[in-house]
Amino acid sequence: DQQVKQNSPSLSVQEGRISILNCDYTNSMFDYFLWYKKYPAEGPTFLISISSIKDKNEDGRFTVFLNKSAKHLSLHIVPSQPGDSAVYFCAASRTSWGKLQFGAGTQVVVTP
Amino acid sequence: NAGVMQNPRHLVRRRGQEARLRCSPMKGHSHVYWYRQLPEEGLKFMVYLQKENIIDESGMPKERFSAEFPKEGPSILRIQQVVRGDSAAYFCASSPPKRGPQETQYFGPGTRLLVL
Repeated sequence: DQQVKQNSPSLSVQEGRISILNCDYTNSMFDYFLWYKKYPAEGPTFLISISSIKDKNEDGRFTVFLNKSAKHLSLHIVPSQPGDSAVYFCAASRTSWGKLQFGAGTQVVVTP
Repeated sequence: NAGVMQNPRHLVRRRGQEARLRCSPMKGHSHVYWYRQLPEEGLKFMVYLQKENIIDESGMPKERFSAEFPKEGPSILRIQQVVRGDSAAYFCASSPPKRGPQETQYFGPGTRLLVL
């Protein structure tokens, strides 16, 4: 039962442009959403989170948008840099401390 | 300020053997989570533990898998009588005891288990 879905397995973007990653969820009980970045042979690294009481959270080059009515969130990275090339996972939880449910990930490649 | 430590980083076992995966949480963290990532998939929750207590084991297979987080020492994920389908990356995450809106889980580098 895949409750968190990332429908784009890969994304290629030019350096300096915006990367937009999308995530959909089905469980209306989710209250907390996170994005993680993962390099090969490493563990996921926390990027940014948002609670359901907000619709936007910004941290430097990263902005997460939440549309609760559509059960959709997105991560914007601007400007994209070569070091951003990685797999990005969307995750959701019913609480800020409970188990995380992950999407399948989106491989981002930033080209020069 | 050491992060979450996992060992071994790579583990090879033959079918029927036991696998023991260790996780030392970040300093000051008292909550540990285990996740499994199969090839080409996202991470799947297995179990959530606090010191000496299992809080949520809803993602653990019913047989052969067990986890503990003793009062002293690392958290252990134990897989008995491994099968080829257990081959995966196993990640441990830890979080602090008090939760704020930005508190989250910090992940270790993972243990790659290969069952021959």
